[in-house]
Amino acid sequence: GESVGLHLPTLSVQEGDNSIINCAYSNSASDYFIWYKQESGKGPQFIIDIRSNMDKRQGQRVTVLLNKTVKHLSLQIAATQPGDSAVYFCAENTGGSYIPTFGRGTSLIVHP
Amino acid sequence: DAGVIQSPRHEVTEMGQEVTLRCKLISGHNSLFWYRQTMMRGLELLIYFNNNVPIDDSGMPEDRFSAKMPNASFSTLKIQPSEPRDSAVYFCASSPTGQGTNEKLFFGSGTQLSVL
Repeated sequence: GESVGLHLPTLSVQEGDNSIINCAYSNSASDYFIWYKQESGKGPQFIIDIRSNMDKRQGQRVTVLLNKTVKHLSLQIAATQPGDSAVYFCAENTGGSYIPTFGRGTSLIVHP
Repeated sequence: DAGVIQSPRHEVTEMGQEVTLRCKLISGHNSLFWYRQTMMRGLELLIYFNNNVPIDDSGMPEDRFSAKMPNASFSTLKIQPSEPRDSAVYFCASSPTGQGTNEKLFFGSGTQLSVL
């Protein structure tokens, strides 16, 4: 079946740098995308979402970009901090489905 | 709001024993999801309830697994008998209505299950 995948399983950055986490999806019918952050010992927590009628959405220090042409989603974190160290998951909802499909996750390591 | 509450946080048991995991939804939420997380498989959906009714249980591994919602705010996931391959972190998540495709999930802190 179609699934959500990630290009990089681990990303290491220096504190203060900008981070970019990528996600490829294969279901062209997906119309809603969410990024979750999972810290050690905790459940995934919502960061930001985007609908398919948008190509960019900004939050506090985070930006999600959606490129439907190549079915690519990215999460940009500005001025990365040690507290940003976590596993980041992208998830997609396909029209008519209430159940999100999760990718495998990318581990972000921020070095002080 | 206390968020989604799961118990126990950790469970260590022996193969063949019955295991019951518990979840309390966020007040007012109508949908409940049980997920299992392992390094090998990532986050796997086990079962999805809406308004206390199981809607999709295609992810339940086998008959050893069962889930219930005895009321609108509480759910249990039972494994009987448990096996070492069931060792994983089990998450419960809720969403407000479960009837909109643009809803985010609210996850609990998970139960770390180890079956020896």
